[in-house]
Amino acid sequence: GQNIDQPTEMTATEGAIVQINCTYQTSGFNGLFWYQQHAGEAPTFLSYNVLDGLEEKGRFSSFLSRSKGYSYLLLKELQMKDSASYLCASLDSNYQLIWGAGTKLIIKP
Amino acid sequence: IAGITQAPTSQILAAGRRMTLRCTQDMRHNAMYWYRQDLGLGLRLIHYSNTAGTTGKGEVPDGYSVSRANTDDFPLTLASAVPSQTSVYFCASSDRGTGPQFFGPGTRLTVL
Repeated sequence: GQNIDQPTEMTATEGAIVQINCTYQTSGFNGLFWYQQHAGEAPTFLSYNVLDGLEEKGRFSSFLSRSKGYSYLLLKELQMKDSASYLCASLDSNYQLIWGAGTKLIIKP
Repeated sequence: IAGITQAPTSQILAAGRRMTLRCTQDMRHNAMYWYRQDLGLGLRLIHYSNTAGTTGKGEVPDGYSVSRANTDDFPLTLASAVPSQTSVYFCASSDRGTGPQFFGPGTRLTVL
């Protein structure tokens, strides 16, 4: 079966760093996406990894290890506006996105 | 308009009624998708269209139908709504099947 696992909820402090992990098992693999979703809003695209390694984009970085079926999203210098759910999704062999249930990130002052 | 629009924003519907959720994009994207999002579950694909004139079934297609008469529009129809179809529905589009998907604002549907 196809499965995406990520923690349900995480808490971090403003200004700190947080790492959100995601493990995936999908039929085939064509890339790993991270999205941010604020409460009551639509998901918005953050990052895409298809090769192993780290992709950095400002305060956000995403890492992929295809051999381990593992990715993480790293958020630095946390701001209150980063409070949101972060969704991990794997693109399978049929080019369909398989989504995790999301990690709710709570930022405390 | 810019991006993807959905209508209505929210709707309360009696069970057994027919309902069409509208989705329009102006980015000339080839692929379009319909998802439902329920608390505690990931986004689940209902139907998709890789290009105008073609459609395909996703993970949870039962009770839903779609059409793709042109590039811009991708309506989702519930032929006879049931309470289990209460959900938030998102339409999305992408330039190509391997690219990022961009989402509309969603429709919150309640079936009583």
